Amino acid sequence: AQRVTQPEKLLSVFKGAPVELKCNYSYSGSPELFWYVQYSRQRLQLLLRHISRESIKGFTADLNKGETSFHLKKPFAQEEDSAMYYCALKVPGANNLFFGTGTRLTVIP
Amino acid sequence: NAGVMQNPRHLVRRRGQEARLRCSPMKGHSHVYWYRQLPEEGLKFMVYLQKENIIDESGMPKERFSAEFPKEGPSILRIQQVVRGDSAAYFCASSLDRAKQPQHFGDGTRLSIL
Repeated sequence: AQRVTQPEKLLSVFKGAPVELKCNYSYSGSPELFWYVQYSRQRLQLLLRHISRESIKGFTADLNKGETSFHLKKPFAQEEDSAMYYCALKVPGANNLFFGTGTRLTVIP
Repeated sequence: NAGVMQNPRHLVRRRGQEARLRCSPMKGHSHVYWYRQLPEEGLKFMVYLQKENIIDESGMPKERFSAEFPKEGPSILRIQQVVRGDSAAYFCASSLDRAKQPQHFGDGTRLSIL
């Protein structure tokens, strides 16, 4: 069965430090992976998807099929990056997203 | 484009009452998804609908829960005879099509059962 694991519930980094939010998945095929972000008092919004291979707000994520991971990285964290981050997986042909439990990132000034 | 609109934002019900949660998708979107988030957990898929059709309800509890997406008006998630365990945040998402386009989420409805 598909599963998304975000091992850290909470992550704190200092402003300007690198940040990595971990995401591992279990699925034997070729899934589509996403990162969603929820800023304080805002709705869940798409941050990036692996098929786009783009950098959004300085964040990147590379799909590593060997390690079944899709870690989210940013070289220099900013205070406005403080938010809840969810990793999600979509199986080809499926209708829904499978979400991890989320990581709350706090960037300390 | 106001995005996905959900109402109410907060809903309080007593055990045994009915809860009705509404979702208006983004303009032009005809695919609607409902997710539930229990405390300390990730969002879990409940049901996927297109206009007037339930396509996939594999995540819906077998009893007391139903969903519809009529030709006119919002999608409705209905919970009958609510119990304490139904307390959760319920999120609606919509997309332009099923396969390629990402899902856009509403603010959610936080349901509390007294």
